Amino acid sequence: KAGVTQTPRYLIKTRGQQVTLSCSPISGHRSVSWYQQTPGQGLQFLFEYFSETQRNKGNFPGRFSGRQFSNSRSEMNVSTLELGDSALYLCASSFVGGSEAFFGQGTRLTVV
Amino acid sequence: AQSVTQLGSHVSVSEGALVLLRCNYSSSVPPYLFWYVQYPNQGLQLLLKYTTGATLVKGINGFEAEFKKSETSFHLTKPSAHMSDAAEYFCAVRLNTGTASKLTFGTGTRLQVTL
Repeated sequence: KAGVTQTPRYLIKTRGQQVTLSCSPISGHRSVSWYQQTPGQGLQFLFEYFSETQRNKGNFPGRFSGRQFSNSRSEMNVSTLELGDSALYLCASSFVGGSEAFFGQGTRLTVV
Repeated sequence: AQSVTQLGSHVSVSEGALVLLRCNYSSSVPPYLFWYVQYPNQGLQLLLKYTTGATLVKGINGFEAEFKKSETSFHLTKPSAHMSDAAEYFCAVRLNTGTASKLTFGTGTRLQVTL
């Protein structure tokens, strides 16, 4: 069974640009969550999607958004990039009612 | 609201020695508890989890953890460290609500294993 797939693995963007990251969950998983990992703030929850609906959101500015498609694949978008958005972005998927989340390898975003 | 505290951002042990990584949690309702491991430039891999039932849970790679409600702790142990155990370890808590999957993580403990 394939794991959680995140693309791309690495990205370099310039301040002010926008970026879209993609996540394909494990087959059969309908819940997808996103996390930001930085050395200073650690692992922070961004948002969670289930059945194409955002059902939980972390404390991030509106520049961070996401969506989920009918096949459960998810994308997150960051607009007007800032240097502080440089981070490892992790996606996790889980079964409905399941207890654990399975993580992808992450997308390393560098903003210059 | 829930929170996780990991004592010790950096732990160093000799190969073959006991590994003990500490985690304390705070939760208003019975929690689900997890330990994840992260190798450099990788995602998070689930080591073990506690949901309900037996308080001593065994995970992969010889790790285990014990849920102690009275101490609000979920410490991770391994009897004998191996060089391949060098990585960063994260304790996480999730509310047992059945509706949402939000994980709250500790700040992580970097485990160094020396010869």
